[in-house]
Amino acid sequence: DIVMTQSPDSLAVSLGERATINCKSSQSILSGSNNKNYLAWCQQKPGQPPKLLISWASSRESGVPDRFSGSGSGTDFTLTISSLQAEDVAVYYCQQHYSEPITFGQGTRLEIK
Amino acid sequence: EVQVVESGGGLVQPGGSLRLSCAASGFTFSSNWMHWVRQAPGKGLVWLSIIDGDGSTIHYADSVNGRFTVSRDNAKNTLYLKMNSLRVDDTAVYYCAKGSGYIIDSWGQGTLVTVSS
Repeated sequence: DIVMTQSPDSLAVSLGERATINCKSSQSILSGSNNKNYLAWCQQKPGQPPKLLISWASSRESGVPDRFSGSGSGTDFTLTISSLQAEDVAVYYCQQHYSEPITFGQGTRLEIK
Repeated sequence: EVQVVESGGGLVQPGGSLRLSCAASGFTFSSNWMHWVRQAPGKGLVWLSIIDGDGSTIHYADSVNGRFTVSRDNAKNTLYLKMNSLRVDDTAVYYCAKGSGYIIDSWGQGTLVTVSS
């Protein structure tokens, strides 16, 4: 199984500042056949189901604000929120969609400082 | 608008069974992979199962393989999860989700399953 490890477990950032969440996979999730990274990020606000933000490591879903961006390749990935807004308070999960079993990181709790 | 709505959760005794349903709308159900994911209280997301559009390909997490069975009725736009031999540690919110292949792109609100005596 591919193990996904996020850091940090929790993060407090001031409004308007940058937030960075890291995700590391236990093996490469970069496909040699299509040169795509099979990594997604989702956001779970309190009391709500998760919501997909980014797939293929850097492709934002329709309607997701452009302050959210994803980067990385191979085994190391980053979710960046360029200017934190109050509505971004949530738990963020990375997820590999390379192979089954599909696996998630343990989650990173993002709060306002 | 894509919608998936889970139902069938509730309280069940250890060793018991339960069947969850997931009603889908707003997309071509028979063309999409579907997932089940659960979340224990205060914990993270755990993927359980995936089924392809015609039900011919199914995969399970080791933790539920042999106890849980996923199926779908494309005529009714409904996904199912039959859960047998339930244990206390199966207590969780169970989410049905639409897949774009292995990408989980739309989630339901979830249904709570509590396993307790």
